[in-house]
Amino acid sequence: QLRLQESGPGLVKTSETLSLTCTVSGGSISSSTYFWGWIRQPPGKGLEWIGNIYSSGSTYYSPSLKSRVTMSVDTSKNRFFLRLNSVTAADTAVYYCARRTLTLGGSDPFDSWGQGTLVTVSS
Amino acid sequence: DIQMTQSPSSLSASIGDRVTIPCRASQSISNYLNWYQQRPGKAPKLLIYAASSLQSGVPSRFSGSGSGTDFTLTISSLQPEDFATYYCQQSYSTVLTFGGGTKVELK
Repeated sequence: QLRLQESGPGLVKTSETLSLTCTVSGGSISSSTYFWGWIRQPPGKGLEWIGNIYSSGSTYYSPSLKSRVTMSVDTSKNRFFLRLNSVTAADTAVYYCARRTLTLGGSDPFDSWGQGTLVTVSS
Repeated sequence: DIQMTQSPSSLSASIGDRVTIPCRASQSISNYLNWYQQRPGKAPKLLIYAASSLQSGVPSRFSGSGSGTDFTLTISSLQPEDFATYYCQQSYSTVLTFGGGTKVELK
């Protein structure tokens, strides 16, 4: 049974860097069948895609966050990471990590999600 | 970016009702469309991928249809556990986008 678990500080100060880790268990992060992604959800609002990373390290970021986002992967420890710098209150959200499965149909959905972690940005 | 529009943002229904939830893309996305269910305080759950393929383990009362710009998620007979928010998401573009969600509430 695949499990994804987000971890990291729940409180980040304005202008500093948000850093989160997603630890994957029950499956290999190195499989060629999957991308790994981050999605966030501000309180009471909808879902926003942040970016994807492949086990090779190839990344795809949301254009609206691209200048502040870095994603990386550690295949030896089966985990991947999110860094978002220069945060403001607008970055307060529940952050989810998720697995994106490459499918024959091509829609490549997020088929497995972590429980999410709330990160609050405050001065 | 491809914009995904879900309207209405909420709808009211009763147990046993047939519910249809629309989603519209700002340009043609073929069938590169996924549907998710999110219950309060929980992570989203994949229901439908490639517009009409039922994810393993999802009850058959859920179905998806559409292609191009207009898509629909249908719940054939609403159950108590189906009161939740539903999101569509396109993967036609490398820039992924979600709709704003439709919340299904008890009438």
